[in-house]
Amino acid sequence: DAGVTQSPTHLIKTRGQQVTLRCSPKSGHDTVSWYQQALGQGPQFIFQYYEEEERQRGNFPDRFSGHQFPNYSSELNVNALLLGDSALYLCASSLLGDSSTDTQYFGPGTRLTVL
Amino acid sequence: DAKTTQPNSMESNEEEPVHLPCNHSTISGTDYIHWYRQLPSQGPEYVIHGLTSNVNNRMASLAIAEDRKSSTLILHRATLRDAAVYYCILRFFPLTSGTYKYIFGTGTRLKVLA
Repeated sequence: DAGVTQSPTHLIKTRGQQVTLRCSPKSGHDTVSWYQQALGQGPQFIFQYYEEEERQRGNFPDRFSGHQFPNYSSELNVNALLLGDSALYLCASSLLGDSSTDTQYFGPGTRLTVL
Repeated sequence: DAKTTQPNSMESNEEEPVHLPCNHSTISGTDYIHWYRQLPSQGPEYVIHGLTSNVNNRMASLAIAEDRKSSTLILHRATLRDAAVYYCILRFFPLTSGTYKYIFGTGTRLKVLA
């Protein structure tokens, strides 16, 4: 049973460019969340997708956008990259269901470096 | 959003119990308390979660205060592989979204001494 997978593993971009990160959820999961983790910090919630809709959003600008596909996989897009966007981007999946059992499973992350 | 507060770092000797504290004084009645840990160069991994009662699983135990304003993650016998950043998280349900939201704090870096 494959867990959460993310691609690419590492990415180097320059300021002003655009980037797309990809995530495949754990088999059977229907909800995908994205987090940004700066060095030495805890993960910061970017947004969450369920039923191909953005359901929740953290305090991130509109340069950050996403999409969820019918197979539940997801993309995170960042436009007009800034140096401060350099971070580990984590994808987490879960199955929306019983409140007592809902937990998130994280992928290994994509390390984005903006030069 | 409710927040959690944890010590920045803790140390423990190998094979001794570790108690990792977390304060969440603004917790709401339906917020679940989750603990995750993040090993170096990996994504966070689930450890344990609970609502009101103490919980045990193969990895750890979770002790929740009666007023739910604090909780403690207990590792019964720390090993070198337990060295990680441990995050105490509140999972809540914003009514407008229909899905759960997880808010991470800054975490506690646990160092295990051989």
